[in-house]
Amino acid sequence: GAVVSQHPSWVICKSGTSVKIECRSLDFQATTMFWYRQFPKQSLMLMATSNEGSKATYEQGVEKDKFLINHASLTLSTLTVTSAHPEDSSFYICSARDRAGAEQYFGPGTRLTVT
Amino acid sequence: AQTVTQSQPEMSVQEAETVTLSCTYDTSESNYYLFWYKQPPSRQMILVIRQEAYKQQNATENRFSVNFQKAAKSFSLKISDSQLGDTAMYFCAFMGGPYGYGKLTFGQGTILTVHP
Repeated sequence: GAVVSQHPSWVICKSGTSVKIECRSLDFQATTMFWYRQFPKQSLMLMATSNEGSKATYEQGVEKDKFLINHASLTLSTLTVTSAHPEDSSFYICSARDRAGAEQYFGPGTRLTVT
Repeated sequence: AQTVTQSQPEMSVQEAETVTLSCTYDTSESNYYLFWYKQPPSRQMILVIRQEAYKQQNATENRFSVNFQKAAKSFSLKISDSQLGDTAMYFCAFMGGPYGYGKLTFGQGTILTVHP
């Protein structure tokens, strides 16, 4: 149980375009989802926290207009990178927390390459 | 704000031997959770072990065990009988209580290589 999926697993887009990444909890209801960014051989950096039906809470230094997060249902959160630039190229990981709250379940990640 | 420090960027160990990864943290909270996550080359985050701060007994999961020293704010991971599949990046993480609203604070990570 407690499976989280992400789609796509790898995406290449041109500079200036937008790209959407989906995060789904497959077998539980995720009251809270988290989005992380990770550069090679570095730690996970929390970008934002989203609760179902409410606006996302962004960490300091994360541009909310550039990284749009929507948590429309208890099983789906999306991250849209708007007007992507090469410096946005990174590995994006989502995680989900159920009502019990004591553990996060991680998706497999999405590699974004902006050319 | 909580901080988590892993002071060993890289470690290596021979297959079947034991290795210990270090982690220290700083917090003013008394109730919290600590985790060790494994990230293999596939980059899928895998929970290795979890420790609840109010429990004095150290958590164990098969070959993985922790040494939790609450007063010293230390949380090390011991891997016994190391296997090639243990090669990965390991992250220590902190979650404030109650459930800290689910936010995890990660350490910098330790790259562990198991040699045959």
